[in-house]
Formats: sequence, C-alpha cells, structure tokens
Amino acid sequence: GQQLNQSPQSMFIQEGEDVSMNCTSSSIFNTWLWYKQDPGEGPVLLIALYKAGELTSNGRLTAQFGITRKDSFLNISASIPSDVGIYFCAGQLPGNQFYFGTGTSLTVIP
Amino acid sequence: DGGITQSPKYLFRKEGQNVTLSCEQNLNHDAMYWYRQDPGQGLRLIYYSQIVNDFQKGDIAEGYSVSREKKESFPLTVTSAQKNPTAFYLCASRGALTEAFFGQGTRLTVV
Repeated sequence: GQQLNQSPQSMFIQEGEDVSMNCTSSSIFNTWLWYKQDPGEGPVLLIALYKAGELTSNGRLTAQFGITRKDSFLNISASIPSDVGIYFCAGQLPGNQFYFGTGTSLTVIP
Repeated sequence: DGGITQSPKYLFRKEGQNVTLSCEQNLNHDAMYWYRQDPGQGLRLIYYSQIVNDFQKGDIAEGYSVSREKKESFPLTVTSAQKNPTAFYLCASRGALTEAFFGQGTRLTVV
C-alpha cells in the first residue's frame, strides 16, 4: 500500500514548548487528515484539510496542506500535559481509500 | 448518540481458535475499514468495504476474514491461520463526503 513518511517518530518536550511534525508522500492526495490517539483508544480526528495550500487551525493546533499535495504539517503551540499521545497523519486518494503515517509519539514533561 | 462501536474492548483467545470482533456504526456510512496496530507501529489495513455485500483485501489480509451483510455491521474474524494475532484492532467508517471515524478498539491477546 501507499507509504506516508511521518517525522519525527517521537518527541520529548517541556510543557509550554511548541511542537511541529510533518508527513510526506510520493503520491498526491486530495485530503490530508490529522488524528490523535490516546493510549488504548481509537484515533480522534483533529483537523481535516481539503485544498492545496490550505492552513487550518483548531485551538492550539494548526495544520497545512502542502502546495505539492504530497505533504502536510501539524503544529501544536504552548504544549500541555494532555497533548500526550500518538499523532497520525492520513492522506486520502480519490474514492474511499486513505493511508496513514507511522505516527509521532509525543511526550510532554511538566 | 451516533457513532461507531467496537466490542469487546478486551478479548483473549487460545491458540488455534477463531475469534470474531464486532464493529457497528449508526452513522449511515457506506465505507468501513479494519486496521491492525502493533506496539509502536502505525495502522495497517486488513480489509475494507465500500458497500454492502462487497469487501476488499488490504495489505495484511492473510489469516483474517470479514463479512458485510448489513450497512451497519462489519465483523472481523481472526482465524487460526493468523500466526501472530495479538494486537490492537481498530474499526473505522466513512461517508461519501466525510472523514473517517474510529471505534475505541479491541485489544486481542492470545493465551
């Protein structure tokens, strides 16, 4: 299947710091999605992006759909302990198929 | 409330046994998916279905089977042919114009 390269694989940051992670692909996607997964739970949608160049915010989270349609990034500002979890990007091709990145594990140190 | 429900949350299986994981959604979504997640790993697609009575193999379908007799339901059977079934299993659904929504997952352990 399609491979999405997500980086970094893990991050350890101090509370209050900003976080940045990104996702790249060899394929062009119509939609980019960012999910967060808490331990032992299913992923929850954070942000959806539908147009190249689109920049969307959801509280302290900001995500962008890359101009080439092959990448996306997610920023978290002023991190707090409840930001801990695994963040996944997902790219959607025409039709109903979509593919996930390998995840970024975020640890916030109080 | 609308949503997608997986059951059970935890499941234990003896080696050589088949076991079925339930996934039900009341979101009126056409497409449903099953993923496997191993510790520290991403999500790998097992099977997906875009419409009732039709389903397609994903990247790691061997040792698994599914059915889609109703729009609301997409059960996954982990068969004895699956040599390493211990994992976290996630079900998702998606409508034509919506993003994918996930269930809370089933943790399967072989004992």
